[in-house]
Amino acid sequence: EPEVTQTPSHQVTQMGQEVILRCVPISNHLYFYWYRQILGQKVEFLVSFYNNEISEKSEIFDDQFSVERPDGSNFTLKIRSTKLEDSAMYFCASSTGTGGNQPQHFGDGTRLSIL
Amino acid sequence: GESVGLHLPTLSVQEGDNSIINCAYSNSASDYFIWYKQESGKGPQFIIDIRSNMDKRQGQRVTVLLNKTVKHLSLQIAATQPGDSAVYFCAENKDDYKLSFGAGTTVTVRA
Repeated sequence: EPEVTQTPSHQVTQMGQEVILRCVPISNHLYFYWYRQILGQKVEFLVSFYNNEISEKSEIFDDQFSVERPDGSNFTLKIRSTKLEDSAMYFCASSTGTGGNQPQHFGDGTRLSIL
Repeated sequence: GESVGLHLPTLSVQEGDNSIINCAYSNSASDYFIWYKQESGKGPQFIIDIRSNMDKRQGQRVTVLLNKTVKHLSLQIAATQPGDSAVYFCAENKDDYKLSFGAGTTVTVRA
């Protein structure tokens, strides 16, 4: 069964440094997403991406965050200058469409630790 | 306001028994609901979904019930197995891009 893959599984970065999290969505999916989950909390939406542009973003997704689809298979999340509070699990997801009967499928995440 | 939440943070169930996990939502505009299972160190795994024009949907050993009158969603797992131990999240969508997740219920299956 096709799946979303994310790399690296764990990223340790010094505060203030830039970090890029990588995702390979399911190949025939057209919608891509990033979510985060702070330890012990619920999963929070960050951003959705369709047709090479951001379609929706949350308040969390401020100017320090950006997303890119640099080629036909990868989808990346960049945090420009990391803060301690950016420490979390970051999940990539993809779907064939939006809304009913087109569920988002998630990768296993990247654990980001900011020191 | 908008929120998706679960009634109980933990559920302990005997192996072989049926499990019922509950979720309350407050946004009557939501029209699509999904249950996800998250095992330790893994991402949310799709279990089953339901649209707001339905009140019940069945999968393999799982059933989702939707009561729009009281804005309540439940996941029933038949003959619970040790592999069902995980955190279960309900999520809602109102015909936009984002999913709003509830806080999760940790299910522990006793042998």
